[in-house]
Amino acid sequence: ETGVTQSPTHLIKTRGQQVTLRCSSQSGHNTVSWYQQALGQGPQFIFQYYREEENGRGNFPPRFSGLQFPNYSSELNVNALELDDSALYLCASSLGGRGSNQPQHFGDGTRLSIL
Amino acid sequence: AQSVSQHNHHVILSEAASLELGCNYSYGGTVNLFWYVQYPGQHLQLLLKYFSGDPLVKGIKGFEAEFIKSKFSFNLRKPSVQWSDTAEYFCAVNALNFGNEKLTFGTGTRLTIIP
Repeated sequence: ETGVTQSPTHLIKTRGQQVTLRCSSQSGHNTVSWYQQALGQGPQFIFQYYREEENGRGNFPPRFSGLQFPNYSSELNVNALELDDSALYLCASSLGGRGSNQPQHFGDGTRLSIL
Repeated sequence: AQSVSQHNHHVILSEAASLELGCNYSYGGTVNLFWYVQYPGQHLQLLLKYFSGDPLVKGIKGFEAEFIKSKFSFNLRKPSVQWSDTAEYFCAVNALNFGNEKLTFGTGTRLTIIP
């Protein structure tokens, strides 16, 4: 089976710019979650999409937004980038959503650096 | 809101030593519990999970964890570690009352095994 794939692997941006990160979910999965992992920290939940609708959001400002497409792939958009946005962004997919008790499978992440 | 504490930030062991990594969470309701491992240069991988039933769960590569509800703990154990167990280990909680699969992670424990 094809695992979770994320693109790009690395990205360098400057403050104030906008960025779009992409994620292809594992085959058969309909739920995608996005996490931010700062250096030396555990992943922090940004939001989750289930069947193209947002299904929960963490403590992130509105300039973090997302989409899920009919094929269950997903995008994370961040506007007005700040230095603190420098982190590894992880995408995870799972089957079911809404308390289905299925584990999440993670991609390799996108390393975003803000100069 | 739920939170997860991993008290050991960096653990160094010799091969064949026994391992126990602590994980405590704060949430009064029903939870699903996970341990993920991140080997150097690789993505997060699921080691084991607890949803319900037997509180002693076995995972891959000889790892096991015990859910003690009264102590809000889910400690990871392995009787005899190998050099290949060198990795970062993350405990995570999903609180079931929120209707989504948001994972709350601890800050991680870096495990170094000395040959």
